Order: sequence, then structure tokens, then C-alpha cells
Amino acid sequence: AQKVTQAQTEISVVEKEDVTLDCVYETRDTTYYLFWYKQPPSGELVFLIRRNSFDEQNEISGRYSWNFQKSTSSFNFTITASQVVDSAVYFCALSELTQGGSEKLVFGKGTKLTVNP
Amino acid sequence: DADVTQTPRNRITKTGKRIMLECSQTKGHDRMYWYRQDPGLGLRLIYYSFDVKDINKGEISDGYSVSRQAQAKFSLSLESAIPNQTALYFCATSDSLLEQFFGPGTRLTVL
Repeated sequence: AQKVTQAQTEISVVEKEDVTLDCVYETRDTTYYLFWYKQPPSGELVFLIRRNSFDEQNEISGRYSWNFQKSTSSFNFTITASQVVDSAVYFCALSELTQGGSEKLVFGKGTKLTVNP
Repeated sequence: DADVTQTPRNRITKTGKRIMLECSQTKGHDRMYWYRQDPGLGLRLIYYSFDVKDINKGEISDGYSVSRQAQAKFSLSLESAIPNQTALYFCATSDSLLEQFFGPGTRLTVL
């Protein structure tokens, strides 16, 4: 079965530091999707990115960047020049192909990031 | 208006009571999901549905049931609530590319 490991339970940094959130996954599927979601203290879940398993290009969106490496089954997320507003729980997720041929997501346990002023 | 709504947003109930959590969506998606979130355990899938006639158990379905009344509505029921079902519950919908759109969550407390 698919598995997503976010080994960092909590991370605390000072504003303007760079921080990387790790995500390691296990899958037997040859085609799959990887995701990152953000959950700020207000509680809602916000989609950040989706990556197809065939696309290993790194992606940058403002201060956010993602490093996808199939060779190490990792999809790490870096925040550059962190800000207090980045404080949240971040979840990595992996698509799983069900027996019926449909797909659902498997989530990691999340990493709580605290950015201190 | 929000694309995915959940009612109630907060609920306190007693052990043994039946409770229903409701989810409605205006995104026109066929796929709907119920998750529960517990501190340190992330999001765990309870049930999911890919259309009105398709209901599937997730990782932790024991003690829960669901009803897909229409494409836009997916309800989660606790037939006899117990304290370890105290959690934050999320409904979600997704498109064919699997991006999940989450509701605001329902905080359930079972005393």
C-alpha cells in the first residue's frame, strides 16, 4: 500500500530563514501524483501544488519551491525567507490507485512549522 | 459562497447519541470524501464516493456510515458516538486530476 512519511513532526525557525519540509513516499504505481497542502491555524486546508510522476522538473512559486526526485522517492518543499504567515501544518499526499481503478489520496502525518518573529 | 460547505461547524454530543455531519458542494465534482484529523495523525480517510451509486470504505470506516443523497451531497453518520470519535472532520471533493477541495471542517466533541 502507498505510504507517505513526513519525518519532521515540528520545525521552528526565525523569520527570514529558509526551511525545507521533507516528504518521502512509497508506491508501486508507475503513474501517480504528489501533493502539498497547507493548514494554517484557522484550520482550513489549502492546496499548494500537484506534481505528476512523469514530471521531475523542480517548481518555484514565489518563495515556495518543490524538489521532486524519483530516485529517492522524495518530494521536498522549501520556503525561502520564511515569514510568520507561513506558520502552519503542511501535509504531503500521494495518489493511490484503488482496486476499482479509481484513485484516492494518502496523506502524511504533517509537519508543523512555526516561524518566529 | 463557499464551494464546499459543512454543517454543523461545531458539535458537542454525548456518548451513544446518533449524529450526522452534512457536506454540500457546488463544484460539480463526482468524487467526494470524508476524512478525520487527529493531532499527530494527519488526515485519515473514512469513506469516499466516486458517484451517487458508488460508496467505498476508507482506512477507518468502523463506527461510521455515509449516504450520498445526490451528486452534491455526502453525509457522514455516527450511529452511536463514542469519545474516541472526538476529532476534526473534513469533507472534500475532487476533480479527475485529484486536487482535493476541502470544506471548512466540523469540530466534533463526544463527551
